[in-house]
Amino acid sequence: SAVISQKPSRDICQRGTSLTIQCQVDSQVTMMFWYRQQPGQSLTLIATANQGSEATYESGFVIDKFPISRPNLTFSTLTVSNMSPEDSSIYLCSFKGGGNEKLFFGSGTQLSVL
Amino acid sequence: EDQVTQSPEALRLQEGESSSLNCSYTVSGLRGLFWYRQDPGKGPEFLFTLYSAGEEKEKERLKATLTKKESFLHITAPKPEDSATYLCAVQAVGYSTLTFGKGTMLLVSP
Repeated sequence: SAVISQKPSRDICQRGTSLTIQCQVDSQVTMMFWYRQQPGQSLTLIATANQGSEATYESGFVIDKFPISRPNLTFSTLTVSNMSPEDSSIYLCSFKGGGNEKLFFGSGTQLSVL
Repeated sequence: EDQVTQSPEALRLQEGESSSLNCSYTVSGLRGLFWYRQDPGKGPEFLFTLYSAGEEKEKERLKATLTKKESFLHITAPKPEDSATYLCAVQAVGYSTLTFGKGTMLLVSP
């Protein structure tokens, strides 16, 4: 199965700054997904990123706050903009493999905003 | 709106003490139900996909079952290395995204 690498694994950021998270897959995938996992909460889908088109955002998430790039079929980035302490969370990238049925996840980015 | 509720939130077992985790779901039409394992500091790892009521799948000490309203993850004679958070998710017909539950944190003591 494909390998997915995510970085950074963790970061501590100041309020008002931005952080870009990178996700690299070792094979071409059509759809990539970005999730947020807050303590005690379920994994929440932020957006779906397709190569060559604008990302599709879920309710409650907007492009200005979470811009996403998908320059090719193996790479995507998520930026968390103008951060506040409420953005402290684990951010996960994922893609569908195994016959487009299974979701595979990166190791996550633990973000703390002071 | 699709909903997934997992219980219990946390479960503590002794090594060898079998038990079950529950995942209750509400979905307009079930395309698939997924179980994942998540270790601290890592992303979720795929375990099983179930598609229709009555289906069962096994992997080592784990067995997943599915009814029209819920799924169970049975853990037989667990070992400390089975300690993790177990996540359940559903995919509705016509959708490519998954809806996750909050997970059950399992701790198996030696």
